[in-house]
Amino acid sequence: QAVVTQEPSLTVSPGGTVTLTCGSSTGDVTGRHFPYWFQQKPGQAPRILIFDTSDKHESTPARFSGSLIGGKAALTLSGAQPEDEAAYYCLLSFGGTVNFGGGTKLTVL
Amino acid sequence: DVQLVESGGGLIQPGGSLRLSCEASGFTFESYTMNWVRQAPGKGLEWISYISSGSYNIYYADSVRGRFTISRDNAKKSLYLQMDRLRVEDTALYYCASGLGLSIRDAFDIWGQGTMVTVSS
Repeated sequence: QAVVTQEPSLTVSPGGTVTLTCGSSTGDVTGRHFPYWFQQKPGQAPRILIFDTSDKHESTPARFSGSLIGGKAALTLSGAQPEDEAAYYCLLSFGGTVNFGGGTKLTVL
Repeated sequence: DVQLVESGGGLIQPGGSLRLSCEASGFTFESYTMNWVRQAPGKGLEWISYISSGSYNIYYADSVRGRFTISRDNAKKSLYLQMDRLRVEDTALYYCASGLGLSIRDAFDIWGQGTMVTVSS
């Protein structure tokens, strides 16, 4: 079973830019893994930010973007806001199953 | 309002059984595919099961296959998860999620708030 890897934690300054990445133990992440990104704040259910690598959900702020970088899926936050402090999870598809990454705890400080 | 509400969680002894429910409102439930996702205390998300809109396609994660059974009743706008032979490691907050589309990844658009399952002696 594929293991999906994310940075355990990252810190960004208010107004700054940060990139979170999502890798796979099976090799390079490509568009055929249909990467998704979710945001989860404490005590809340996850909400979808990005689907199919770079498509934004209708509620996703413009400062979030998705891409593929160096064989990994990437979520870039440009112009971080205090309300962006949360856990971020990627999801990759592997044929008839999906796996979440372990999550990245993002601190805005 | 579009809403999913889970219920049925609680404290159960190892080896026991529990049935979770997820009731939908505010959207055409019978057209939506559904997932169950769980989150152990302080841990990350784990996808555990998927069911298509007409129940024709069902998938499970290896960790629950053979012990958990997903089902749905479109007339009642409800999703279910029958959990048997429960283990301590099944302790988690269980979310239902839904979306339009044909694949597992399509069913993460709408989320409930979760129901807690604690497996302990």
